[in-house]
Amino acid sequence: DVKVTQSSRYLVKRTGEKVFLECVQDMDHENMFWYRQDPGLGLRLIYFSYDVKMKEKGDIPEGYSVSREKKERFSLILESASTNQTSMYLCASSPKNPGQGTYNEQFFGPGTRLTVL
Amino acid sequence: GEDVEQSLFLSVREGDSSVINCTYTDSSSTYLYWYKQEPGAGLQLLTYIFSNMDMKQDQRLTVLLNKKDKHLSLRIADTQTGDSAIYFCAESSYSSASKIIFGSGTRLSIRP
Repeated sequence: DVKVTQSSRYLVKRTGEKVFLECVQDMDHENMFWYRQDPGLGLRLIYFSYDVKMKEKGDIPEGYSVSREKKERFSLILESASTNQTSMYLCASSPKNPGQGTYNEQFFGPGTRLTVL
Repeated sequence: GEDVEQSLFLSVREGDSSVINCTYTDSSSTYLYWYKQEPGAGLQLLTYIFSNMDMKQDQRLTVLLNKKDKHLSLRIADTQTGDSAIYFCAESSYSSASKIIFGSGTRLSIRP
């Protein structure tokens, strides 16, 4: 059974702290993604990675960075947490771009609900 | 840029049909998806449709695509309490097949 796991379900941090969110997939997928989910705004892409040590900015990268040292692990880093980063964070993975004419399913982890006080 | 829009809430009576609507802007969309998010869980792919199709049926689910109007709908027949969830419409295109653009999600609630 395919699986994406995230290190914590719930996390409470203080303003200014450095926060690490970890995501691991066991499907040997090339692509990994970090989204944040906020009510009424849906899923917004923060960063994604197509390969080890490769990263690309998504739609809302400000205040975040990522690390992909191993194929199965993709970390999201909040360098200095702020209250407006309180949100649900979802990690996803998908196989390498299958090419034209093929759909590409993303597999999601259960999410980490982060509260920044 | 690309945009996917859907209403935020829908309430239906148990046993009735639910219809969730979505509009998108990217005319180069190749696949359109419906993802389901149950309480406390991540998203899971429910169904998808290729852009050259106008209908797809899978048991209680019917997906209708009007490519001219860029309108997608998901019909759930005989809605059950287990169908309570947030449903996300999404699309991907040839230019960026690995990236998926998600809508805001529609929260479906079932009343007895």
